[in-house]
Amino acid sequence: AQTVTQSQPEMSVQEAETVTLSCTYDTSENNYYLFWYKQPPSRQMILVIRQEAYKQQNATENRFSVNFQKAAKSFSLKISDSQLGDTAMYFCAFILQPYSGGGADGLTFGKGTHLIIQP
Amino acid sequence: DVKVTQSSRYLVKRTGEKVFLECVQDMDHENMFWYRQDPGLGLRLIYFSYDVKMKEKGDIPEGYSVSREKKERFSLILESASTNQTSMYLCASSSPGGSNEKLFFGSGTQLSVL
Repeated sequence: AQTVTQSQPEMSVQEAETVTLSCTYDTSENNYYLFWYKQPPSRQMILVIRQEAYKQQNATENRFSVNFQKAAKSFSLKISDSQLGDTAMYFCAFILQPYSGGGADGLTFGKGTHLIIQP
Repeated sequence: DVKVTQSSRYLVKRTGEKVFLECVQDMDHENMFWYRQDPGLGLRLIYFSYDVKMKEKGDIPEGYSVSREKKERFSLILESASTNQTSMYLCASSSPGGSNEKLFFGSGTQLSVL
């Protein structure tokens, strides 16, 4: 079974600072996807960024980037120039790929990191 | 715009009641999921379905059942609600393909069992 660990239950930084959220995972498989989801107070889960395990290049989406270390099974999220609207729960998630016979396996989530951006 | 709709945002039920949580998606997705979210525990998969009338157990199926009679609708059923089922319930859907990883989530149902 796959596991996802987020070791920081809560983090707080000042607006405009850069913050890094950590995530480690455990799997014996070689092909998978990793994700960071954001859940603001509205409770709507929003996909922030995804990374395919076969890609060496780290994914980037505007102010969000990841540091993917496959050998170390580490997948951290860096938020640059943090904004008040970045305040949210952040979940790291994992899914094996490919999927057999049309079946779907759900994402495995970490326990989350509550990120607070202070004005 | 894609949409996953959960019928109730907040729900209060009594111990022993039968509870139905409804989820509807308008994206013609094959796959639908029910997660439970608890503080400090993250999201845990209860059940999922990859086709009409098909269902698969997730990590914590005990005390729950599901129904998928139509492609767009996936219901979570608590046969006899208990206080330890007080939680946030999130429904999600996705379409299979080469990279079946993008989940679309509903806004959640906060269930309180008294």
